[in-house]
Amino acid sequence: DAEITQSPRHKITETGRQVTLACHQTWNHNNMFWYRQDLGHGLRLIHYSYGVQDTNKGEVSDGYSVSRSNTEDLPLTLESAASSQTSVYFCASSEGQGRITFFGQGTRLTVV
Amino acid sequence: QKEVEQDPGPLSVPEGAIVSLNCTYSNSAFQYFMWYRQYSRKGPELLMYTYSSGNKEDGRFTAQVDKSSKYISLFIRDSQPSDSATYLCAMTSTTDSWGKLQFGAGTQVVVTP
Repeated sequence: DAEITQSPRHKITETGRQVTLACHQTWNHNNMFWYRQDLGHGLRLIHYSYGVQDTNKGEVSDGYSVSRSNTEDLPLTLESAASSQTSVYFCASSEGQGRITFFGQGTRLTVV
Repeated sequence: QKEVEQDPGPLSVPEGAIVSLNCTYSNSAFQYFMWYRQYSRKGPELLMYTYSSGNKEDGRFTAQVDKSSKYISLFIRDSQPSDSATYLCAMTSTTDSWGKLQFGAGTQVVVTP
C-alpha cells in the first residue's frame, strides 16, 4: 500500500543546531506539504512543493527550508533550531487539485 | 482573527449519543470542505470530503455545509468509544493554490462507555 513515512518519529536537539526531518511518499504525488501542529493552533503550513525543483513558503516558514530533488522526498530543514520550533511536524501529499490529502504519522521535535 | 474557527472542546458524550461538531470560516472563496480524525500521537486521516453546499452521508457520519452562513458541521450517530479522537475541519478554495488547506484548531471528543 502507498504511504507517507516520516523519520525520525521523535527527536531532541539543542538550540542552534541544524536539524533535518525526512519525508518519503510512495503515492507518486506531485504535491507535498509540511505542517506543524501546536496546541490551540491546529495545523499550520510551513512549506509546500508542487513538483521537482519547486518549493514555496507557507504561513510559518521563517527558520525552515525545504528542497525537492525527486518526486518521493521533501526533507524539512531547521537552519538553527529554536525553542519556539518545539512542535509536532506532519508531512502530507496530494495529487491534482489536491483536495484529498494524506498525512504521515508525524515527527515530535523538542528543542532544548 | 483566524480564517477557520473551531471550538477545541473537550466534548464528552455517552456511548450511543450523537456527536455534533462544527466550524465557522470567514473566507467566502472556500469551496472544498474536509473533516479529519486524529487519534492521539497519530497523523490526521480523512473522514469526509464535500464540495460547495449540501449534505454528505457515509455510514454513521454526516457532513453538512452551509456556505451562506459560512458554517460546516459533522455529525456522528451512535457514537462509540473508538470515536474518541480529535476532529479537525479543513477547507480550501478553487482560487487558492492546490492542496493548501486551512485547518481549524480541532475539537477533542471523548465518548464514554
